[in-house]
Amino acid sequence: KAGVTQTPRYLIKTRGQQVTLSCSPISGHRSVSWYQQTPGQGLQFLFEYFSETQRNKGNFPGRFSGRQFSNSRSEMNVSTLELGDSALYLCASSRGILKTEAFFGQGTRLTVV
Amino acid sequence: SQQGEEDPQALSIQEGENATMNCSYKTSINNLQWYRQNSGRGLVHLILIRSNEREKHSGRLRVTLDTSKKSSSLLITASRAADTASYFCATDAQSGGGADGLTFGKGTHLIIQP
Repeated sequence: KAGVTQTPRYLIKTRGQQVTLSCSPISGHRSVSWYQQTPGQGLQFLFEYFSETQRNKGNFPGRFSGRQFSNSRSEMNVSTLELGDSALYLCASSRGILKTEAFFGQGTRLTVV
Repeated sequence: SQQGEEDPQALSIQEGENATMNCSYKTSINNLQWYRQNSGRGLVHLILIRSNEREKHSGRLRVTLDTSKKSSSLLITASRAADTASYFCATDAQSGGGADGLTFGKGTHLIIQP
């Protein structure tokens, strides 16, 4: 059974640009969550999608957005990139709404220069 | 905000020894999970303990949960070099109904000396 796949693995962007990250969950999983990990703030919840609907969003500015497609694949977008957006972005999938067990992808390492 | 706080922040022990990490949290939870992360890669799920459970075992792992103290511990017995990683506790807050995502602590960095 394939795990959670995140693409790309590494990304370098310039301040002011926008970026789109992709996540393919485990087959059969309908919930996808996104997390940002930085040395200073640790792991922080960005948002969760279930059946194409955003169920909740963490405390991040509106520059961070996402969506989920009918096949459960999800994308997150960050517009007007700032240096502080440099981080490891992790996607997790789970079977249902409640976080009984989340399976994480390897992450996308975003560097903003 | 960080719900879980791991203690210690870093731990270095000899191979073969046992490693114990603690986690404290603030609000009522549905369950608590422990994850491992190797060198800035993805998180690997280790074990989940529900709020009505007190202890759970999985191979060399033993997790305890004390909801009255809002704390959990992870014990890794007979440690191996491959256990070197960062360990995070994550809580699923009861009030959020799962909608708030998992809340992670800042982690314990475990180093196993050969």
